[in-house]
Amino acid sequence: ELKVEQNPLFLSMQEGKNYTIYCNYSTTSDRLYWYRQDPGKSLESLFVLLSNGAVKQEGRLMASLDTKARLSTLHITAAVHDLSATYFCAVDIPPGTYKYIFGTGTRLKVLA
Amino acid sequence: DTGVSQDPRHKITKRGQNVTFRCDPISEHNRLYWYRQTLGQGPEFLTYFQNEAQLEKSRLLSDRFSAERPKGSFSTLEIQRTEQGDSAMYLCASSLVSGGPLNTEAFFGQGTRLTVV
Repeated sequence: ELKVEQNPLFLSMQEGKNYTIYCNYSTTSDRLYWYRQDPGKSLESLFVLLSNGAVKQEGRLMASLDTKARLSTLHITAAVHDLSATYFCAVDIPPGTYKYIFGTGTRLKVLA
Repeated sequence: DTGVSQDPRHKITKRGQNVTFRCDPISEHNRLYWYRQTLGQGPEFLTYFQNEAQLEKSRLLSDRFSAERPKGSFSTLEIQRTEQGDSAMYLCASSLVSGGPLNTEAFFGQGTRLTVV
């Protein structure tokens, strides 16, 4: 059974600090997606990673994909309060269908 | 086009009643997905359509659940004889899959929060 696991599940960090969220998946895939969800809201697409070694950056967030290690990372640089949310990674099976298996989610709280 | 739209946003129903939710996808998207999300968990795939054809149903989708997309545009998800365990957020998403560079990832609606009392 395909598993997508994130770590940590909960993250409380001070503003201005850096941290990395990890996403491991158990199947062969060269595609991975990151979404953000605010409490009670829907999911917002952050990054689409479509190949081994893909790296994308948007503001204080940077995502990367290592398909050989079946690992994606979401790096947060100089966190600000507005980044507080739950972050999900997802793999689509079969690849390219956008039929997602989501990770467990990482609930991030940035303290002022 | 303002994105994926779901209606209603909230629904409270008594156990045993039937409920129906509607999803209007982004107009040029050919694929439509339904997910269920319970508190503190990631969304779980339920079913998806390409145009009007239902391509796959998860084993999570019991016989009490049925989804349709009759004209390849909007979709409905019906739950019959609701149970307390059905309480969740039901999310709809759409994407474009054409085999070419125009493919997009899935965009999600705001969801319908169902509470079964």
